[in-house]
Amino acid sequence: QKEVEQNSGPLSVPEGAIASLNCTYSDRVSQSFFWYRQYSGKSPELIMSIYSNGDKEDGRFTAQLNKASQYVSLLIRDSQPSDSATYLCAVNRGSGNTGKLIFGQGTTLQVKP
Amino acid sequence: DTGVSQDPRHKITKRGQNVTFRCDPISEHNRLYWYRQTLGQGPEFLTYFQNEAQLEKSRLLSDRFSAERPKGSFSTLEIQRTEQGDSAMYLCASRSGTGNTEAFFGQGTRLTVV
Repeated sequence: QKEVEQNSGPLSVPEGAIASLNCTYSDRVSQSFFWYRQYSGKSPELIMSIYSNGDKEDGRFTAQLNKASQYVSLLIRDSQPSDSATYLCAVNRGSGNTGKLIFGQGTTLQVKP
Repeated sequence: DTGVSQDPRHKITKRGQNVTFRCDPISEHNRLYWYRQTLGQGPEFLTYFQNEAQLEKSRLLSDRFSAERPKGSFSTLEIQRTEQGDSAMYLCASRSGTGNTEAFFGQGTRLTVV
């Protein structure tokens, strides 16, 4: 079992729809959770961080965390073609807080005009 | 200081040659990380520095790899006797050392070993 798992996709949604991206993790003591967006050939760009159970909203993005289920998700409302990218879920494992991130393989999102 | 800077952006080298990459972190960040990313995969952790101290190295970091951060500012990652399997994007990230803070990535160095 991978430490951080994502469906590789591609996830295809029409423009204006809600895109839902999911991630599960195996280490129960994980403390911090991040979503990065990565365009083809570019480096990861941080879009959301979440540290406690519940929802966190930032513009069109909402991150959701459920530590009991070891599940984190990202919702993108009013999806735009410019949102087409790979979305990486990352987890900061352990209580030592080294900041080392464990990444999933990423979910490719395609937003069709 | 607008972000993490990496140099070069691209490097093509022949198998067996040595290569060195540089990373300049965000100036107030005392933690610096190196990751490697191959096509279709998420980044994989290689090593991490807090100031000038290298505190963790992944098993992925073979003896041919060495990283330094001599004055706690910029860092270098050297690969000796490159192999075709070393072809990847090498990413540097930095963050501040206190609490739950976010890591920011540089543009990456894409290495191609021919």
